[in-house]
Amino acid sequence: AAGVIQSPRHLIKEKRETATLKCYPIPRHDTVYWYQQGPGQDPQFLISFYEKMQSDKGSIPDRFSAQQFSDYHSELNMSSLELGDSALYFCASSLRKPTYEQYFGPGTRLTVT
Amino acid sequence: DAKTTQPPSMDCAEGRAANLPCNHSTISGNEYVYWYRQIHSQGPQYIIHGLKNNETNEMASLIITEDRKSSTLILPHATLRDTAVYYCIVISPGYTDKLIFGTGTRLQVFP
Repeated sequence: AAGVIQSPRHLIKEKRETATLKCYPIPRHDTVYWYQQGPGQDPQFLISFYEKMQSDKGSIPDRFSAQQFSDYHSELNMSSLELGDSALYFCASSLRKPTYEQYFGPGTRLTVT
Repeated sequence: DAKTTQPPSMDCAEGRAANLPCNHSTISGNEYVYWYRQIHSQGPQYIIHGLKNNETNEMASLIITEDRKSSTLILPHATLRDTAVYYCIVISPGYTDKLIFGTGTRLQVFP
């Protein structure tokens, strides 16, 4: 079965640079979620999109933005990168009704040096 | 969001049942209990969810108490591959479906 695809899988950036993470949800899923997991921490919700509209927002820094495109893929744009942005970034998708189960991708490991 | 409480860690012998408890004493009537697990550095994996009735699927069983203030996830025959952090999460579908991960239970399955 098709799973959530994330690219790139690994990314190394320097401070103050910009990064773009991409997420391709499971076909026919209508909702995409982004989570951040710092070293030794639990995943933290960043933002979600339902039918290409932002549906919920967590503790996402103003330096980050995201959108969902007409083909339902989503991109997380991160600017002015800081050392503390080094983390695993997971994308998940769901078919919102009726069960709301979220299926996660393998993650993008971002390292900021 | 209703908060959950889970033991930080548990051990289980391979082949035995693993029973992972979760307290959610402030859960409201329209909130569901979801269980996810995360094997080291992999994306979290959906396991099972329920509202008030007990549920079973190919991965696990979920037992919810009658007052819905607690639940237990049961892995009937634990294997080494079940070693992971297990998260019990309460959500209100239709209102907000973001997952708020607590500290979870780190389950170690040993040979």
